Amino acid sequence: QKEVEQDPGPLSVPEGAIVSLNCTYSNSAFQYFMWYRQYSRKGPELLMYTYSSGNKEDGRFTAQVDKSSKYISLFIRDSQPSDSATYLCAMPRGGGYQKVTFGIGTKLQVIP
Amino acid sequence: DTGVSQNPRHKITKRGQNVTFRCDPISEHNRLYWYRQTLGQGPEFLTYFQNEAQLEKSRLLSDRFSAERPKGSFSTLEIQRTEQGDSAMYLCASSSRTGEGAQHFGDGTRLSIL
Repeated sequence: QKEVEQDPGPLSVPEGAIVSLNCTYSNSAFQYFMWYRQYSRKGPELLMYTYSSGNKEDGRFTAQVDKSSKYISLFIRDSQPSDSATYLCAMPRGGGYQKVTFGIGTKLQVIP
Repeated sequence: DTGVSQNPRHKITKRGQNVTFRCDPISEHNRLYWYRQTLGQGPEFLTYFQNEAQLEKSRLLSDRFSAERPKGSFSTLEIQRTEQGDSAMYLCASSSRTGEGAQHFGDGTRLSIL
């Protein structure tokens, strides 16, 4: 079993839709949770960084963490064609530095 | 802040040749990471530096791979005697010691082995 599981998609939605992206994890040592966006032929770009269970909002993006279920989500409101990308969940280990374990990534396409 | 810079962006080489990639991190970041990403997969951790010290190497980093970070600034990743399976995107990231320490990535070097 992988430490981080993520549905690779692809996920196709109409412009303006609410998008829900999810990851599950098995390692209780993960305490921090990140979401990265990766456009084709580019490096991952950090979108959200959370620690606590609950919700964190930043513009059209909301990150949700449920540590009891080991389940994290990223919601995108009013999705735009420019949101079309691969979304990676990522979890760093503690211990003084942050070796990060990534999910496989979910490919999202927002259709105008 | 010019971000993490990686060169070259794309490298094509014949099997058996040696290749070297360079990463220039964000200037105030003392932590530097190398990852490898293959098509349809998330990045996989290869190695980590704090300043000039290489503190961890993944089992993915075979003896043909070596990374350096002289003087704690830029870093190089060298692959000797390249194999077909080395074809991938090699990503570099950096982070600061303080604050959340989230990693910021460059746009990678895409390696193609003929």
